Amino acid sequence: KQEVTQIPAALSVPEGENLVLNCSFTDSAIYNLQWFRQDPGKGLTSLLLIQSSQREQTSGRLNASLDKSSGRSTLYIAASQPGDSATYLCAVPGNQFYFGTGTSLTVIP
Amino acid sequence: ETGVTQSPTHLIKTRGQQVTLRCSSQSGHNTVSWYQQALGQGPQFIFQYYREEENGRGNFPPRFSGLQFPNYSSELNVNALELDDSALYLCATTPGLGVIQTQYFGPGTRLLVL
Repeated sequence: KQEVTQIPAALSVPEGENLVLNCSFTDSAIYNLQWFRQDPGKGLTSLLLIQSSQREQTSGRLNASLDKSSGRSTLYIAASQPGDSATYLCAVPGNQFYFGTGTSLTVIP
Repeated sequence: ETGVTQSPTHLIKTRGQQVTLRCSSQSGHNTVSWYQQALGQGPQFIFQYYREEENGRGNFPPRFSGLQFPNYSSELNVNALELDDSALYLCATTPGLGVIQTQYFGPGTRLLVL
């Protein structure tokens, strides 16, 4: 069974700082990995989808990397803003979608 | 925002009651998955429906059941509610089967069981 872990569970940074969120998974035979954002009490918004053949995917200030062999992915957020405050979840598909428990990010103005 | 909608947005029930949650798929999406997200946890897969048939189930008891209709909208039914069923229930749709597909999530229904 696939297990997905995210570290840290919570992170607080001052505005403007660059930061990295980590995601690890136990079964490296994945097709892709997806990063989501979740605002409090809301649904999930897809941020980035990295196919297994890719090593990186970028969208604006976000950059996600994938290393299948080590079972790791990182989400890099450049020049953080208070509007980036949310919970960030990573997920990998298999016979179902396996989610990590998320990293709660607070960007302090 | 995705084209996936869920109703109701919030719901309060008492233990032992039954509840029905609804999800309308994004246009052209024939696959719907349901997830339960407890406070502070990641979403847990309940089941998936493809073209009105169940196509996979997570580790949830039979009192969690579902339906998918010809227009691909879906219902999640939970019988004999327990306190631990309190959670955010999310549905997600995709244009078809296949693990390369990204999932589009609705805003969720928050269920409180007292």
